[in-house]
Amino acid sequence: EAQLLESGGGLVQPGGSLRLSCAASGFTFSNYAMSWVRQAPGKGLEWVSAISDGGAPWYTESVKGRFTISRDNSKNTLYLQMNSLRAEDTAVYHCAKEESGSGIRWFDPWGRGTLVIVSS
Amino acid sequence: QLVLTQSPSASASLGASVKLTCTLSSGHSNYAIAWHQQQPETGPRYLMKLNSDGSHSKGDGIPDRFSGSSSGAERYLTISNLQSEDEADYYCQTWGTGIWVFGGGTKLTVL
Repeated sequence: EAQLLESGGGLVQPGGSLRLSCAASGFTFSNYAMSWVRQAPGKGLEWVSAISDGGAPWYTESVKGRFTISRDNSKNTLYLQMNSLRAEDTAVYHCAKEESGSGIRWFDPWGRGTLVIVSS
Repeated sequence: QLVLTQSPSASASLGASVKLTCTLSSGHSNYAIAWHQQQPETGPRYLMKLNSDGSHSKGDGIPDRFSGSSSGAERYLTISNLQSEDEADYYCQTWGTGIWVFGGGTKLTVL
């Protein structure tokens, strides 16, 4: 059974940095694209960043130039380096394994998430 | 612009059926979508992939009570024989080159 476990969240001041990790198990990590999706308090889901199995990154516009997604296939781990953090980045960050077919990509499974709070 | 629209809330009685709607933006009516469920204080769970022709494939362990259908730009999630554990937020999601899009979510209340 595929499982994902996020870590690295916490309280950080505006302008600060944080690195999130997502440990994957139960599937061949190197064969799959992966994503980060966040959920601000009381709000809906928002896709943040994705990385292909070959390492090509994608970002939503609001985090371009501030966040960097990466992966270490030898450690079965996904990362999100977050710099220049803003209050509006406060959210639970979920990692998710991507599946694809019929011209769509979707997320299965999801991790429980790690909470990032950006506040002074 | 690729956009998914969902009603913010829905409600139905225990044991009844409910049909949730996700509408694709103009020009994208042939897109497939996925439905995800998020119960309180948990990570989301993948329910199913739903094609424009109404064919769908469900995730592992998803009960037969959950089904999908399509009509034009609308994608539906029907939950039959509602249970208390079905009270959750439901999100539709799709993908275009380099962009992953979510609907705003529908909060389902089981009465």
